[in-house]
Amino acid sequence: DGGITQSPKYLFRKEGQNVTLSCEQNLNHDAMYWYRQDPGQGLRLIYYSQIVNDFQKGDIAEGYSVSREKKESFPLTVTSAQKNPTAFYLCASSIWTGFNSPLHFGNGTRLTVT
Amino acid sequence: GENVEQHPSTLSVQEGDSAVIKCTYSDSASNYFPWYKQELGKRPQLIIDIRSNVGEKKDQRIAVTLNKTAKHFSLHITETQPEDSAVYFCAASLLLSNFGNEKLTFGTGTRLTIIP
Repeated sequence: DGGITQSPKYLFRKEGQNVTLSCEQNLNHDAMYWYRQDPGQGLRLIYYSQIVNDFQKGDIAEGYSVSREKKESFPLTVTSAQKNPTAFYLCASSIWTGFNSPLHFGNGTRLTVT
Repeated sequence: GENVEQHPSTLSVQEGDSAVIKCTYSDSASNYFPWYKQELGKRPQLIIDIRSNVGEKKDQRIAVTLNKTAKHFSLHITETQPEDSAVYFCAASLLLSNFGNEKLTFGTGTRLTIIP
């Protein structure tokens, strides 16, 4: 189904390496988000973007970076500075950030760093 | 900031019975309370939401109730079916005309298992 595509589904990296997770949407949504999901914890916001060429830190931005050069794309880079990078990462989008705009999620990328 | 607590963390119910999941929030200004369902290996999907100007909302077998005074809201699933098995997340936010989703605070999730 269309919507948000995250790739790859599984990603393995060695400690100390940066890694970039892809997120593409064809919903023409202005807002995009990155969440991290850990066992027994709720979804935590890493970064979000309300418009092209603009993005803001979420609650747990340290060790991550993003870019929003195109409306459709919002890649997330997990840097070597992120102390516990192994997690399930979810990308989401919404028409905008306000009323009547629910989140649409991708299928996620499970990152394992050893 | 907002804090959302969700209970129980796991719940097993017999097929056909009802299931109730409860969440409490800390910020009395929060006005938007969505529920997301995440089936195994799939993406979270919004199943129902409620705004603070109503006390209850129903959609077929699913209902959400909100008690603003007590700052808690609950998800009710009646006549449960095997396909209801999933992890359910509640969330709370102060949603205004031009911002809010980035303020969503999620609960820790409830793994619901429907026993055939």
